[in-house]
Amino acid sequence: AQSVTQPDIHITVSEGASLELRCNYSYGATPYLFWYVQSPGQGLQLLLKYFSGDTLVQGIKGFEAEFKRSQSSFNLRKPSVHWSDAAEYFCAVGAYGQNFVFGPGTRLSVLP
Amino acid sequence: DVKVTQSSRYLVKRTGEKVFLECVQDMDHENMFWYRQDPGLGLRLIYFSYDVKMKEKGDIPEGYSVSREKKERFSLILESASTNQTSMYLCASSGSGTGVYNEQFFGPGTRLTVL
Repeated sequence: AQSVTQPDIHITVSEGASLELRCNYSYGATPYLFWYVQSPGQGLQLLLKYFSGDTLVQGIKGFEAEFKRSQSSFNLRKPSVHWSDAAEYFCAVGAYGQNFVFGPGTRLSVLP
Repeated sequence: DVKVTQSSRYLVKRTGEKVFLECVQDMDHENMFWYRQDPGLGLRLIYFSYDVKMKEKGDIPEGYSVSREKKERFSLILESASTNQTSMYLCASSGSGTGVYNEQFFGPGTRLTVL
């Protein structure tokens, strides 16, 4: 069965600093990978997704993620964090004929 | 823009009560989903539906049932609410074509407390 791990429960960064959120998955077939963001009191919003092709994927709000098959990873990055990026971030894995599996989430705090 | 709405943002119920959570989407999506979200566990799939009157169990269906009488509406039912069902409930929808790995659009969630 597929699984998703996000090793960091909570990360704190200063505004303007770079950010990397880690995501590792376990899956036998070709995965479809997603990053969602949940702002306080809100539902989840899709940041980006990877199905195939270029392993570096650009998303909304200046985020990008890189798929590394050899490491079973799909880490999310942003070069310069803004205070409005404070939220919870979820990595998810899907595949043909399978439902999404979500990671436990990483909560991001941003210091002024 | 796709809009997924949920009937209540906050709900407080007593143990043993029957609870209905309603979800409506306005984009004519075939697929609809109910998740519960708990700290440290992420989102876990309760039930999903690929068509009207069709339902499939997800990973944690025990204690829940669903109803999809119209394409735009997907209801989650707690037949007899228990305290361990206190949680955030999220509804989502997605279009068909490439199946379950289409982007899912989420509602704002219902925070249910069972006393």
